[in-house]
Amino acid sequence: GPKVLQIPSHQIIDMGQMVTLNCDPVSNHLYFYWYKQILGQQMEFLVNFYNGKVMEKSKLFKDQFSVERPDGSYFTLKIQPTALEDSAVYFCASSSSGTGVSGNTLYFGEGSRLIVV
Amino acid sequence: GDQVEQSPSALSLHEGTGSALRCNFTTTMRAVQWFQQNSRGSLINLFYLASGTKENGRLKSTFNSKESYSTLHIRDAQLEDSGTYFCAGPASGGSNYKLTFGKGTLLTVTP
Repeated sequence: GPKVLQIPSHQIIDMGQMVTLNCDPVSNHLYFYWYKQILGQQMEFLVNFYNGKVMEKSKLFKDQFSVERPDGSYFTLKIQPTALEDSAVYFCASSSSGTGVSGNTLYFGEGSRLIVV
Repeated sequence: GDQVEQSPSALSLHEGTGSALRCNFTTTMRAVQWFQQNSRGSLINLFYLASGTKENGRLKSTFNSKESYSTLHIRDAQLEDSGTYFCAGPASGGSNYKLTFGKGTLLTVTP
């Protein structure tokens, strides 16, 4: 089936440093998402991105977070500076259309495990 | 409260048996998506339903939007079915762009 690739799979970073998580979405998809999962807990929506813009973000998407997809390359989540509570698995997802449209499906990557020490 | 409530929170099955997982919505959902999160943490798409029933192998899912619930039936469970099963949906009247997840059902299949 369609694949979403995430790089890196794991990263350990010192608190206060910057981290960039990369996502290669499904090739013909137009909507991109980041979700956060703390170990053993449910997936929490962070942000949605379409046509070069953030469409919606949750309260978990702090000011230190930013997303972009320059020139159709990786869809990235940047955290600067990182904090201890940012430790989690970050999942990227993509879809061909918005989630409210009939027949649409979100496809998730395998996650990037971020550990802030 | 949570918009998506899953039950049971944990379930243990012997190989070859079956059961049903349930997802109750406290708000109207336009669709539901079911995922399996395996031991590696990967999210595997199982079903997307806007209504009715879909079946795929040993799995079957139903979405009743009027009564605000969805079920996932597993039959002839295998060891590789172990994992956490999540349901999620976009709320009607809400954003087109956000899936709200339940807390998951942890399924353990034993020999």
